[in-house]
Amino acid sequence: NAGVTQTPKFQVLKTGQSMTLQCAQDMNHNSMYWYRQDPGMGLRLIYYSASEGTTDKGEVPNGYNVSRLNKREFSLRLESAAPSQTSVYFCASSEVAGALTDTQYFGPGTRLTVL
Amino acid sequence: AQSVTQLGSHVSVSEGALVLLRCNYSSSVPPYLFWYVQYPNQGLQLLLKYTSAATLVKGINGFEAEFKKSETSFHLTKPSAHMSDAAEYFCALKRGGGNKLTFGTGTQLKVEL
Repeated sequence: NAGVTQTPKFQVLKTGQSMTLQCAQDMNHNSMYWYRQDPGMGLRLIYYSASEGTTDKGEVPNGYNVSRLNKREFSLRLESAAPSQTSVYFCASSEVAGALTDTQYFGPGTRLTVL
Repeated sequence: AQSVTQLGSHVSVSEGALVLLRCNYSSSVPPYLFWYVQYPNQGLQLLLKYTSAATLVKGINGFEAEFKKSETSFHLTKPSAHMSDAAEYFCALKRGGGNKLTFGTGTQLKVEL
């Protein structure tokens, strides 16, 4: 039982390049999330998917797109990377997003640098 | 709007001393509160959560937190710090029935010999 896995662990991009961050969970969770973590700002929600087939914007969606490929996988795409997107990206999953005691479980993160 | 404030971005304690990490929240509806820990180069791990069943919540690794509605606080404590507790700690808030966690900015805990 691996929990939440993310690939790649590290990535360096040049401004304007595109890339997709992959996330998968094996806990049969319905909901998945993408966050970015920046120094002194905590974690901010980029996009989330409450259930398979649905996606919604979070706090900082500009410059990103997501795909909920199936129940297990949720990818984050940067179409044209900018230095402001240098960050650590975390994927998370939870059983039922709207449940009162719903707990989110996090992956190990992807450290992205945009030059 | 809901928010979480963590007082002190860096806290340093001696090994064996009390750990106190502060978290205050703002929410117009009853909140559900969480503490997460992040060890270097790792993802976030749930320490404990408050879901209104009891105001004193016990978590993993000897940590506990007390929900105080009158003070809008959910401070994290541990009676005796260990070197292995050195990490970053995040307080987070979720409104009942909502999808989203709102995180504080984090507190880096340093444990010294």
